[in-house]
Amino acid sequence: EVHLVESGGDLVKPGGSLRLSCAASGLSFINAWMSWVRQAPGKGLEWIGRIKNKIDGGTSDYAAAVKGRFTISRDDSRNTLYLQMNSLETEDTAMYYCATYLYGGITNWGQGTLVTVSS
Amino acid sequence: QSALTQPASVSGSLGQSITISCTGTSSDIGSYNYVSWYQQHPGKAPKVMIYKVSDRPSGVSNRFSGSKSGNSASLTISGLQAEDEADYYCSSYTNSVPMVFGGGTKVTVL
Repeated sequence: EVHLVESGGDLVKPGGSLRLSCAASGLSFINAWMSWVRQAPGKGLEWIGRIKNKIDGGTSDYAAAVKGRFTISRDDSRNTLYLQMNSLETEDTAMYYCATYLYGGITNWGQGTLVTVSS
Repeated sequence: QSALTQPASVSGSLGQSITISCTGTSSDIGSYNYVSWYQQHPGKAPKVMIYKVSDRPSGVSNRFSGSKSGNSASLTISGLQAEDEADYYCSSYTNSVPMVFGGGTKVTVL
């Protein structure tokens, strides 16, 4: 069974930075394409980015709302996915989910980690 | 890339069937058979119910089915049960970004 566990969520001031981690198990992480999805309080789901596996180039794609501020990376030796978030804005307040990406969608979800951006 | 369009709410009685629509464009749903549907109960993480338009992951009830026609996709829940009350989201692959979500539909079981 695939298990994704996010960590690193916190209260941070506008303009600040934060790095989220996602520990993966139960899957061949080195072969997996991974994504981050967020959900603002009381709102819908928002795809924010995806990273391919190294065999397929290891490149990342981002939603317009976070491009240039957020960076997705992976450490296949640790089965861990990361989301580096810089220049945080109050609109970035949300639950952040780590997920596996396959068939143009999400196939497995973590339980999420909460990021609050507030002064 | 704009979000896919879903009705804000759909309701049905126990045992009935309901259908949730998801409308996109020729840049997403209309060009790719990569539509997924997710169920989310309050305070919980989403769960995939349908992928690749109509495929069900193991463990998902066969009361859930998906289809697509043109630029729109649909999720049908037959034999509606109390535990089906939740929010439902569609997503699609697009020709500009790897995926986009719909705005979500709240399903109420009467």
